[in-house]
Amino acid sequence: KQEVTQIPAALSVPEGENLVLNCSFTDSAIYNLQWFRQDPGKGLTSLLLIQSSQREQTSGRLNASLDKSSGRSTLYIAASQPGDSATYLCAPNDYKLSFGAGTTVTVRA
Amino acid sequence: EAQVTQNPRYLITVTGKKLTVTCSQNMNHEYMSWYRQDPGLGLRQIYYSMNVEVTDKGDVPEGYKVSRKEKRNFPLILESPSPNQTSLYFCASSPGTGLYTEAFFGQGTRLTVV
Repeated sequence: KQEVTQIPAALSVPEGENLVLNCSFTDSAIYNLQWFRQDPGKGLTSLLLIQSSQREQTSGRLNASLDKSSGRSTLYIAASQPGDSATYLCAPNDYKLSFGAGTTVTVRA
Repeated sequence: EAQVTQNPRYLITVTGKKLTVTCSQNMNHEYMSWYRQDPGLGLRQIYYSMNVEVTDKGDVPEGYKVSRKEKRNFPLILESPSPNQTSLYFCASSPGTGLYTEAFFGQGTRLTVV
């Protein structure tokens, strides 16, 4: 069974600082990995999908890296803004999505 | 607009009263699934469907039923809800389960069973 760990569980930074969110998973036989954003009590918004054959995927200020062999992915958010405050979830797909508990980010103005 | 729509968004019900949460997607996706999200436990898969008339159990199927009679719809049925089914529920869809498959989630249904 895929186990997903996200570190840190919570993060508080001043506006403008870069964010680094870590995700590790136990089974490296994945098709891809998705990063989601969840606002309190709301649904999941897909941020990035990184394929198993890729090392990186970028969208605007977001960059996700994937090291499948070591079971790790990192989400970088450049120049954070208060609007980036949310919970970020990673979900490796090894036939189905498995989720970590998430990293709750607070960006202080 | 491509989307997954769940209804209702909020529901308070009493123990034992049957309920259905609907889920519909407009992206012609084959794969659909239901998750529940609980504090400290993350998202856990309840049931999934690979295509019409094909459904299977996820990690926490007890107390739930599903059906997939049409490609776009995947309702979640609680025949006799209990307080331990109080949770935030999400429906998701994707083209499939393998490579290049991006999952899309509905806005969630917050269910309270008293």
